Amino acid sequence: RKEVEQDPGPFNVPEGATVAFNCTYSNSASQSFFWYRQDCRKEPKLLMSVYSSGNEDGRFTAQLNRASQYISLLIRDSKLSDSATYLCVVNIGGSYIPTFGRGTSLIVHP
Amino acid sequence: GAGVSQSPRYKVAKRGQDVALRCDPISGHVSLFWYQQALGQGPEFLTYFQNEAQLDKSGLPSDRFFAERPEGSVSTLKIQRTQQEDSAVYLCASRGGAGNTIYFGEGSWLTVV
Repeated sequence: RKEVEQDPGPFNVPEGATVAFNCTYSNSASQSFFWYRQDCRKEPKLLMSVYSSGNEDGRFTAQLNRASQYISLLIRDSKLSDSATYLCVVNIGGSYIPTFGRGTSLIVHP
Repeated sequence: GAGVSQSPRYKVAKRGQDVALRCDPISGHVSLFWYQQALGQGPEFLTYFQNEAQLDKSGLPSDRFFAERPEGSVSTLKIQRTQQEDSAVYLCASRGGAGNTIYFGEGSWLTVV
């Protein structure tokens, strides 16, 4: 079992839709969590950190569920420009090394 | 510099050739990471430096892979006797300050033919 698991998708949604991705992690002692966005043939870029209390940035909401060991990303009012791969990132256990999931592909169509 | 810089951006190597990939991290960033990303996969950890010390190299796939950061700034990832399965994007990232955020370079795209 991989340490960070994501459904690769693709998630194919119309503009304006709400879409949510989950990511599970294996080590309950993990402390730091992030969502990165990666466009085709580009490097990953930080979308948002995930805090224990949950956090929101515009149309994006991230949540952490420690009991079930997953993090989620909710995108409201999807835009065409949201089409990308969303990477879940966890510092496993007490490690300083970020471990990436394989990513979830989102395609927003007109 | 303003961001993480990697070179070359694209490299085509003949099987058996040695390659060297360079990473220039964000100025002052103590931590430096190398990742390998195959098509359709997430970045896979290769190795981690804190200043000039290589603290973790558990992700290097074989002894053909070697990384160094002799002065705690620029890092080089070397791959000896390249094989076709080495074809991937090699991403360098750096981290500094009090935050946990890592910042990536644009990657070095390696194709072994």
